[in-house]
Amino acid sequence: LAKTTQPISMDSYEGQEVNITCSHNNIATNDYITWYQQFPSQGPRFIIQGYKTKVTNEVASLFIPADRKSSTLSLPRVSLSDTAVYYCLVAGNTGFQKLVFGTGTRLLVSP
Amino acid sequence: DTGVSQNPRHKITKRGQNVTFRCDPISEHNRLYWYRQTLGQGPEFLTYFQNEAQLEKSRLLSDRFSAERPKGSFSTLEIQRTEQGDSAMYLCASSVMDGLRPTDTQYFGPGTRLTVL
Repeated sequence: LAKTTQPISMDSYEGQEVNITCSHNNIATNDYITWYQQFPSQGPRFIIQGYKTKVTNEVASLFIPADRKSSTLSLPRVSLSDTAVYYCLVAGNTGFQKLVFGTGTRLLVSP
Repeated sequence: DTGVSQNPRHKITKRGQNVTFRCDPISEHNRLYWYRQTLGQGPEFLTYFQNEAQLEKSRLLSDRFSAERPKGSFSTLEIQRTEQGDSAMYLCASSVMDGLRPTDTQYFGPGTRLTVL
C-alpha cells in the first residue's frame, strides 16, 4: 500500500479556503485517493474520493495532478466545525482494502 | 440513522477481565472491518470479514483477541484477559462493492472507547 505524507497541522480562520496537500509518490495505477475527516472521540467520516483531475462534492474538492503523486483537499470557507483531523489514504479498487492511516493533518479553525 | 453503530460507546474494565464489543454494519454491507486507534495515531487495521468469513487478521490481533460475524450481519470483538496496553478506541467499518463507488469505500462507526485500569 502506498505511503502518504501530509502536514502534521494547519491553522486557518473562519471563512477562509483551506488546502491540505498529501504526497503519495508510490501510488499504483489502480489506486484511488480517499480523504476522511475525524472529530475527537468519533470514527473517521468519508469526505471525498478521486482518481485523477478534479472531484467536487457538497463538502470539498479534490485536485489530483496528472502524475497522481500528490493530491490536494480543498475546503471552501471553513467554519469552526471543520476543526478536525484529516486523513489522506490511497487504496486499490480490487478486493478488500486494508486502509493504512498515517497521523493525519490536524486542522484548527479559529474565529 | 442507517450508519454503522457500535456498542457500548465506552467501557472501563479492570486488567484481566474479558470485554466484548458489538458492531452493527450498514444494512446490506457484506464487508466488515475492525480497527484500533490509540491517542494521536490513525486507526490501525485489525481484521476483516466478508459475510461471515474472517479473511484477514493483522499481527496486532493477538490470541487474546477474537472476532466473529456469525450470520454475516453484526460482529463482535472480544478481548480476553485485558491489559492496560489494550486501552484504545476500537472502530468498526463496513463496505460493499455495489458499483456506486469504484473502490471499497469504508464507512466507520463511532467507536468503542476501552479503558483498562
